[in-house]
Amino acid sequence: AQKVTQAQTEISVVEKEDVTLDCVYETRDTTYYLFWYKQPPSGELVFLIRRNSFDEQNEISGRYSWNFQKSTSSFNFTITASQVVDSAVYFCALSRLATGGFKTIFGAGTRLFVKA
Amino acid sequence: SQTIHQWPATLVQPVGSPLSLECTVEGTSNPNLYWYRQAAGRGLQLLFYSVGIGQISSEVPQNLSASRPQDRQFILSSKKLLLSDSGFYLCAWSAGQGTQPQHFGDGTRLSIL
Repeated sequence: AQKVTQAQTEISVVEKEDVTLDCVYETRDTTYYLFWYKQPPSGELVFLIRRNSFDEQNEISGRYSWNFQKSTSSFNFTITASQVVDSAVYFCALSRLATGGFKTIFGAGTRLFVKA
Repeated sequence: SQTIHQWPATLVQPVGSPLSLECTVEGTSNPNLYWYRQAAGRGLQLLFYSVGIGQISSEVPQNLSASRPQDRQFILSSKKLLLSDSGFYLCAWSAGQGTQPQHFGDGTRLSIL
């Protein structure tokens, strides 16, 4: 079965703290794609990053970094020196080839509160 | 650049009334289109997706239907709304069915009374 688990329902940190959002996925496919999206209070989802299953290289973009480990089926997201504007719900998603084409499965999301 | 428009932003409807939510995409051709529902404080549930005009795939049995009358137009409908249809509805598009990221509209908050 295919599944995306974001075990942390809510996280609360103080500004400037580092925070890691966990994402664990399940799939038997060898080819798949992983995504992270941010949903600020305004509601629209914003794409952050995509990784394919053959690229385990970690990525850093400003204060954001992603750690992809196939051995543990994890794709964790770290925000360094968090800011109040980082407060949002963050979704991890898995896209895999199924009957009829690729299907995307979203995790339940992690709500991040960053306090000033 | 590509843009996605979704309306209305907020809608309050009585139980048993019909529904029509519209989504249009600009700046791209033959996009893959999606409708999601997000219950309060919950994750995203894929309702429908479309890879082309008139091609609709339904992910879950429900009270809703979708149509794609034009390449860049995706409509979510219901003949008779239920209380359980309340939620936040999001339209999205992608250039590739699953390999490319999805780009979301601003959403419609639907309340059923």
